[in-house]
Amino acid sequence: DTEVTQTPKHLVMGMTNKKSLKCEQHMGHRAMYWYKQKAKKPPELMFVYSYEKLSINESVPSRFSPECPNSSLLNLHLHALQPEDSALYLCASSQDRGQGGAFFGQGTRLTVV
Amino acid sequence: AQSVSQHNHHVILSEAASLELGCNYSYGGTVNLFWYVQYPGQHLQLLLKYFSGDPLVKGIKGFEAEFIKSKFSFNLRKPSVQWSDTAEYFCAVIKTAGNKLTFGGGTRVLVKP
Repeated sequence: DTEVTQTPKHLVMGMTNKKSLKCEQHMGHRAMYWYKQKAKKPPELMFVYSYEKLSINESVPSRFSPECPNSSLLNLHLHALQPEDSALYLCASSQDRGQGGAFFGQGTRLTVV
Repeated sequence: AQSVSQHNHHVILSEAASLELGCNYSYGGTVNLFWYVQYPGQHLQLLLKYFSGDPLVKGIKGFEAEFIKSKFSFNLRKPSVQWSDTAEYFCAVIKTAGNKLTFGGGTRVLVKP
């Protein structure tokens, strides 16, 4: 199994809603990542978890809250988002930190209305 | 801070033509290098990666890349493209033992049948 699975694939939420994005991998990878990708732009790193501990937060607003319940799962909790937060949110995983986000999920396309 | 530059934003070529996409990075230390492809409406897929050893790396779908340390470059090549190679291509760099994968701005490749 060389997949990173993200759910949901699409999400529309209002600015007062609370929702969560989920990511799962069963490759035994110990590093997991959240990226944000706007249209026609490269992915931008948001968070890195290494061995289930948050190791990088790229100055992401607190309305985005990551969580790593175990080594296979990564969540991104969303609250009070703005329309400009609409984007494709990508999860990735790798064997260890030095190898970066080698495997990416298909992403969740988020629209904030 | 490390940065990654992809000099060509758009490339248009005909089937069977050769393709070369440039990638330069700014970090002076030891790095791991990647090329990703994103087909229209699809997720990022790893084409190839370089960690150490032979600087000429072969990837999937007939792509290869050459790491030239003295030029801080990692150019992607394919001798003969197909219409199905139409996609966006991203170069990415991470410091060895680091965990921040930095992407270049991407190159949109259009292969005309």
